[in-house]
Amino acid sequence: EEQVEESGGDVVQRGGSLRLSCAASGFDFSIYSMNWVRQVPGKGLEWVAYISDSASTIYYAESVKGRFTISRDNTESSVFLQMKSLRAEDAAVYHCARGATNGWYGGYYMDVWGKGTPVIVSS
Amino acid sequence: QSVLTQPPSVSGAPGQRVTISCNGTSSSIGAGYDVHWYKKSPGKAPKLLIYVTTNRPSGVPDRFSASKSGTSASLAITGLQAEDEGDYFCQSYDSKFFWVFGGGTKLTVL
Repeated sequence: EEQVEESGGDVVQRGGSLRLSCAASGFDFSIYSMNWVRQVPGKGLEWVAYISDSASTIYYAESVKGRFTISRDNTESSVFLQMKSLRAEDAAVYHCARGATNGWYGGYYMDVWGKGTPVIVSS
Repeated sequence: QSVLTQPPSVSGAPGQRVTISCNGTSSSIGAGYDVHWYKKSPGKAPKLLIYVTTNRPSGVPDRFSASKSGTSASLAITGLQAEDEGDYFCQSYDSKFFWVFGGGTKLTVL
């Protein structure tokens, strides 16, 4: 079964740092792009970061650019999200999601998701 | 505030048909970018329902269908069942923001 599982969520103080991990299994991780998507409870989904299969291309949402870093280890079938200078508005459940496309960014979607890991930012 | 706009809630009785709209802009859906739909139940991982505007992954029943026109898209669910309850999200691409989601629509089966 193709699946991804997040870990690393925790309570962190405002201004602090946290590193999330996502372990993939059941598919050839090295040929897929990966994403982090977050959801504030009761609110919509927000795409956070994208990393290509070889890590040669990385994109971030404006809301996290300069503070978050996405990376991956294809030998460990894992993707990571390093978060720094955390703000109250970063509190959310963070989902890891595998990317798929019909050939272009305009047709890009996410076909395998994890349940998420919660990040709580305390003051 | 989400780039794509969805109604906060919809409801229907078992067996009925419901539709969920997803309104975008000229830089997202209106620019010709594809629309995808997901279902999210509490405590569960989001599930892909429709990809590239009209396609269903294997295992998704044909009660689910979707379409797109202009700057909007819609998801239709026929033969409503209790298990369809949950939150539904649309997703597309925006030339300003990369990948964007709707705010979600809570479906209640009466």
